Amino acid sequence: GAGVSQTPSNKVTEKGKYVELRCDPISGHTALYWYRQSLGQGPEFLIYFQGTGAADDSGLPNDRFFAVRPEGSVSTLKIQRTERGDSAVYLCASSPGTSGDTQYFGPGTRLTVL
Amino acid sequence: TQLLEQSPQFLSIQEGENLTVYCNSSSVFSSLQWYRQEPGEGPVLLVTVVTGGEVKKLKRLTFQFGDARKDSSLHITAAQPGDTGLYLCAGVLAGNTPLVFGKGTRLSVIA
Repeated sequence: GAGVSQTPSNKVTEKGKYVELRCDPISGHTALYWYRQSLGQGPEFLIYFQGTGAADDSGLPNDRFFAVRPEGSVSTLKIQRTERGDSAVYLCASSPGTSGDTQYFGPGTRLTVL
Repeated sequence: TQLLEQSPQFLSIQEGENLTVYCNSSSVFSSLQWYRQEPGEGPVLLVTVVTGGEVKKLKRLTFQFGDARKDSSLHITAAQPGDTGLYLCAGVLAGNTPLVFGKGTRLSVIA
């Protein structure tokens, strides 16, 4: 079956611009996670959704970052006033139920802020 | 400070050799996972260990969780070029806290 998909695969933007990154989880998965992976680092947790609500957003670095999942399926990560330090691969993962279930990762969106 | 320290950072070996990579912490984890990540892809879960001292085998890969649940190791026997990739350990500290990842060990197996 279809795995987690993320679009776009690559995004190049200029400093100060607004970007949206999309995640399509595995059908039926209620939990969805966003991570950020900088060069040479492991993934870093950003936010976790259970259904439509953000169950844990403690990893969002500042108020320029926001994520939504209005219908409990597709999620969008939004970054305002992008900075060069935001350049990274943004990974999305989904799991069937609670936070203890196996997470299935998408291929990521590589964001480059010039 | 990195909660999970992985070593070595880089490892290049010949096909057929054995290797061990390590994941260490000063914190106790309720569970620990190992992932493999290839370029342009997301991490793929290999194993989850939950009990101190637990050993799990997956074909040529052997995973061990330390008795105190602060560390783990991954041993690969007779490495093959297909084992090449970034090996990440990740742990859950307690309850529903988020996964914490190490920086990974980048393994290259040369034919």
